[in-house]
Amino acid sequence: SQKIEQNSEALNIQEGKTATLTCNYTNYSPAYLQWYRQDPGRGPVFLLLIRENEKEKRKERLKVTFDTTLKQSLFHITASQPADSATYLCAPQTMRFGAGTRLTVKP
Amino acid sequence: NAGVTQTPKFRVLKTGQSMTLLCAQDMNHEYMYWYRQDPGMGLRLIHYSVGEGTTAKGEVPDGYNVSRLKKQNFLLGLESAAPSQTSVYFCASSSSEQFFGPGTRLTVL
Repeated sequence: SQKIEQNSEALNIQEGKTATLTCNYTNYSPAYLQWYRQDPGRGPVFLLLIRENEKEKRKERLKVTFDTTLKQSLFHITASQPADSATYLCAPQTMRFGAGTRLTVKP
Repeated sequence: NAGVTQTPKFRVLKTGQSMTLLCAQDMNHEYMYWYRQDPGMGLRLIHYSVGEGTTAKGEVPDGYNVSRLKKQNFLLGLESAAPSQTSVYFCASSSSEQFFGPGTRLTVL
């Protein structure tokens, strides 16, 4: 069966450090993978989309990698800030999401 | 542009009652979706629509019905609510990435 696993439920890091979140999927062959941010009590907001022929994509302090052989995407936030604290969801298929990783950045 | 709006924001039902959740989008998107989100389960797709007049089942469709009579609106109905349907419901629309509404928090007693 198809599975999406995000590395952990919660990740705590210190301000200024790089946060790395992992998304692993099985029994999918996605043409692209998306990452979303969700704040408490709100709907998810789209951040980045990376296609299968792209190894890496960047947007400001965000970087996403996509390894179709490992069936894994890594999501990095560099120079993290307390405002980056949120839950981050990956979606290797348009209508299927991982359970998310709750990131807390401590000042 | 309002984006995606959902009504109501909160609702409490008794077991067996019915209700309709309304989703509206002003971005002229063909695709619309209804999800439910439960702690530890992530977003799960209930039903979706690829255009006006079309609907399709998602991962967890039982106990729900939907209609897409107008392109901008997608309605989610619960005919006979059960406590297991206590959840937060999100509507979304898309052309490529999905745009989500603010959610409806439903409690079934």
